[in-house]
Amino acid sequence: GNSVTQMEGPVTLSEEAFLTINCTYTATGYPSLFWYVQYPGEGLQLLLKATKADDKGSNKGFEATYRKETTSFHLEKGSVQVSDSAVYFCALSDGGATNKLIFGTGTLLAVQP
Amino acid sequence: NAGVTQTPKFQVLKTGQSMTLQCAQDMNHNSMYWYRQDPGMGLRLIYYSASEGTTDKGEVPNGYNVSRLNKREFSLRLESAAPSQTSVYFCASSEIGTGGAFFGQGTRLTVV
Repeated sequence: GNSVTQMEGPVTLSEEAFLTINCTYTATGYPSLFWYVQYPGEGLQLLLKATKADDKGSNKGFEATYRKETTSFHLEKGSVQVSDSAVYFCALSDGGATNKLIFGTGTLLAVQP
Repeated sequence: NAGVTQTPKFQVLKTGQSMTLQCAQDMNHNSMYWYRQDPGMGLRLIYYSASEGTTDKGEVPNGYNVSRLNKREFSLRLESAAPSQTSVYFCASSEIGTGGAFFGQGTRLTVV
């Protein structure tokens, strides 16, 4: 079945450091891929998405490229801020009639001033 | 600009008690979902409703029931709560073809 694997955290960085959070997936067909962010005490917010191979999703300085050859969708940001501290979830959807999302286990990012 | 609204935000139940978690969305989405979030396990799908009048089991449906009351509302019921159901519950909605989903703020449930 479909699944998502993402790097375990926590990831601790200093402000202005470069961020990479790895995400790989297993899926039949051509899923859509997503990154969600969860700030403390809140629900999940869609951060970015990509719907086909080689698409690059971007938002708020974060980027991720849909790599079909390596089945990956790694999240990157060039210079993190303290306000980026949150849990990041990689997810896939096979679309179809249900649009169900399958999530990775989440990666906690802590950015120190 | 409410989006997805869940009630209550917090709840403590005794083992064996029942309760219903309420969810409503104002985006006219066809699909709605209930997930639970547990440490180290990400979010797991409990039940979903692809459209008004239909519901289907997700990955972890045991111990839960759902009702799609109308297009806006999708409730989750615990008939006899167990400590293993201690979790944070999220409701979400989406529109087919757009990808992604919008999430509520969550319900933190503790069963003692």
